[in-house]
Amino acid sequence: LAKTTQPISMDSYEGQEVNITCSHNNIATNDYITWYQQFPSQGPRFIIQGYKTKVTNEVASLFIPADRKSSTLSLPRVSLSDTAVYYCLVNTGFQKLVFGTGTRLLVSP
Amino acid sequence: DAGVIQSPRHEVTEMGQEVTLRCKPISGHDYLFWYRQTMMRGLELLIYFNNNVPIDDSGMPEDRFSAKMPNASFSTLKIQPSEPRDSAVYFCASSFMGWDSYNEQFFGPGTRLTVL
Repeated sequence: LAKTTQPISMDSYEGQEVNITCSHNNIATNDYITWYQQFPSQGPRFIIQGYKTKVTNEVASLFIPADRKSSTLSLPRVSLSDTAVYYCLVNTGFQKLVFGTGTRLLVSP
Repeated sequence: DAGVIQSPRHEVTEMGQEVTLRCKPISGHDYLFWYRQTMMRGLELLIYFNNNVPIDDSGMPEDRFSAKMPNASFSTLKIQPSEPRDSAVYFCASSFMGWDSYNEQFFGPGTRLTVL
C-alpha cells in the first residue's frame, strides 16, 4: 500500500481557497487517490477521487500531475463549516482503505 | 435511506465484560467494514465483509474480537472480554461496487466505547 504524506495542520480564513497537497511517491499503477473529510464526533465522509489529471465535483477539485506522485485537494471559498480533518488515501479497489494522520484544517472568521 | 446505522452510540462498561456493537448497512450495499479510531493509532480497519462473507480480518487486534454478518442488513462486532485499551470509537461503513464509486465508503456515526 502506498504511503501518503500530508501536512499535519493548516489554517485559513473564510472565503479563501485552500489547497492541501499530499505526496505518494510509491503509488502503484492501479492505485486511485481518494480524499475523505471528518468532522469531530462523526465518521469520515468521501469527498472526491481521481486517477490522473483533474477531477471536479460540487465540493472540491483534485489535481493530479502526470507522474501521480502527489495530488492536491482544492477547496474553493472555504467557510467555518469546512473546519475538519482531511485524509488523503491511495489504494486499489475497496480493500483496506488506509487512513493516515490527515490534515487538520482550521477555518477562522 | 437513513444511512449506516450503529448502536449503541455510547457504551460504558467494566473490564472483563462482553461488549456487542451493532451495525445496519445501507440497503443494497455489498461491502461492510469495521474500523476503530483512537488518538494514538488513528483510524484502523479491523475487518471487512463482501456479500456477508469475511474477506480480511487481519486488522482484528486479537482473539478477543470477533465479527459476524448473518445477513445483508446486520453485522456485529463483539469484544469478549473487554479491556481498557479497547476504549475507542468504532465505526461501521458500507459501500457498493459501482463504476463511479470505486473508493466511496459510507460511514456510520460511530459507537464510543469506554472500558473502565
